[in-house]
Amino acid sequence: DGGITQSPKYLFRKEGQNVTLSCEQNLNHDAMYWYRQDPGQGLRLIYYSQIVNDFQKGDIAEGYSVSREKKESFPLTVTSAQKNPTAFYLCASSIDRRQEAFFGQGTRLTVV
Amino acid sequence: GQQLNQSPQSMFIQEGEDVSMNCTSSSIFNTWLWYKQDPGEGPVLLIALYKAGELTSNGRLTAQFGITRKDSFLNISASIPSDVGIYFCAGRNNNDMRFGAGTRLTVKP
Repeated sequence: DGGITQSPKYLFRKEGQNVTLSCEQNLNHDAMYWYRQDPGQGLRLIYYSQIVNDFQKGDIAEGYSVSREKKESFPLTVTSAQKNPTAFYLCASSIDRRQEAFFGQGTRLTVV
Repeated sequence: GQQLNQSPQSMFIQEGEDVSMNCTSSSIFNTWLWYKQDPGEGPVLLIALYKAGELTSNGRLTAQFGITRKDSFLNISASIPSDVGIYFCAGRNNNDMRFGAGTRLTVKP
């Protein structure tokens, strides 16, 4: 089955700890994205990557880091510098930067 | 970056009614997309629009790409209970994809 897989679905961490969210796709898509969703708000772009070993900051990149060592994988690290990390995180991919994006099922991160 | 203005914020309708929602922007977009999100899940693409003036249907859903390229609307005809969810519009220009805040649809049987 082709698709985008995010794991885990639920994640709990203590304040001050870094945490890494996984995103894997087997759609052979070049572009991948990370979005953050807060209640009652639209999706806000954290980082995106057009090709392997390249990524760009989105609107709310502070406190986050990413890597793109493989085409299939685009992990997101939420660092202790992120002031309000509790949120629903969505990963997406698209064939290229012009085509529609398809989303994973999301990871709900709760920091206590 | 600029955000999209999506309205209405929420809708409560009876099963069988038609629904209309829209999205506007101060900027031009090359592509308009409509997604539906169920609670705790990722958004699912409903309709993609690539050309100004384009009108596209997907079953009971119809969406249009405004001729000014600054707006789009989505209509749902003869709503059913499984239409419940949050509908998001998105405007896309190359790497930049902006989302509206969503329209929360409730359908009463």
